[in-house]
Amino acid sequence: EAGVVQSPRYKIIEKKQPVAFWCNPISGHNTLYWYRQNLGQGPELLIRYENEEAVDDSQLPKDRFSAERLKGVDSTLKIQPAELGDSAVYLCASSPGSSSSYNEQFFGPGTRLTVL
Amino acid sequence: SQQGEEDPQALSIQEGENATMNCSYKTSINNLQWYRQNSGRGLVHLILIRSNEREKHSGRLRVTLDTSKKSSSLLITASRAADTASYFCATDASNTGKLIFGQGTTLQVKP
Repeated sequence: EAGVVQSPRYKIIEKKQPVAFWCNPISGHNTLYWYRQNLGQGPELLIRYENEEAVDDSQLPKDRFSAERLKGVDSTLKIQPAELGDSAVYLCASSPGSSSSYNEQFFGPGTRLTVL
Repeated sequence: SQQGEEDPQALSIQEGENATMNCSYKTSINNLQWYRQNSGRGLVHLILIRSNEREKHSGRLRVTLDTSKKSSSLLITASRAADTASYFCATDASNTGKLIFGQGTTLQVKP
């Protein structure tokens, strides 16, 4: 079974440029999460989707961050414009998503973003 | 914001020794989970313990939970060099899958 796929693995951009990250969750997983992980810290949730609906985006900086999950499968996270403080690893995770299955989250390898 | 604090921040042991990591949290929880992250990789789920459980085992892993103290511990017995990684606790307060992670413990197991 294929795991969570993310691309690109690494991205280096100049500040004020836009950047997008893509995630393909495990087939059949209804719930999709985007996290940001700063160096030496644990992941912090940015947004959580149930199918195509964003059910929790309270920690997403909406002035510059946006996300979508059209058709309830793949998802894209965008930053525009990027700032120096956005340098981090962006992790995507998925889980089956029913109330009895909010147990284990499966993480992708992440995208390491460096903003210069 | 991060709910959990993990202790110690870093731990270095010899292969074959046991490793114990602790996690404290602030609010009531539905369950607590432990994840492992190898350098440059995503997180891998290790074990979940629910608020009505006190201890759980999985292979060489033993997790305890004390809800009165809002704390948990992860014990890895007979450690191996391959156990070298960062370990994170994560709490789910509402059984919605919304996890709040601690800052992690970096474990180095020397061969």
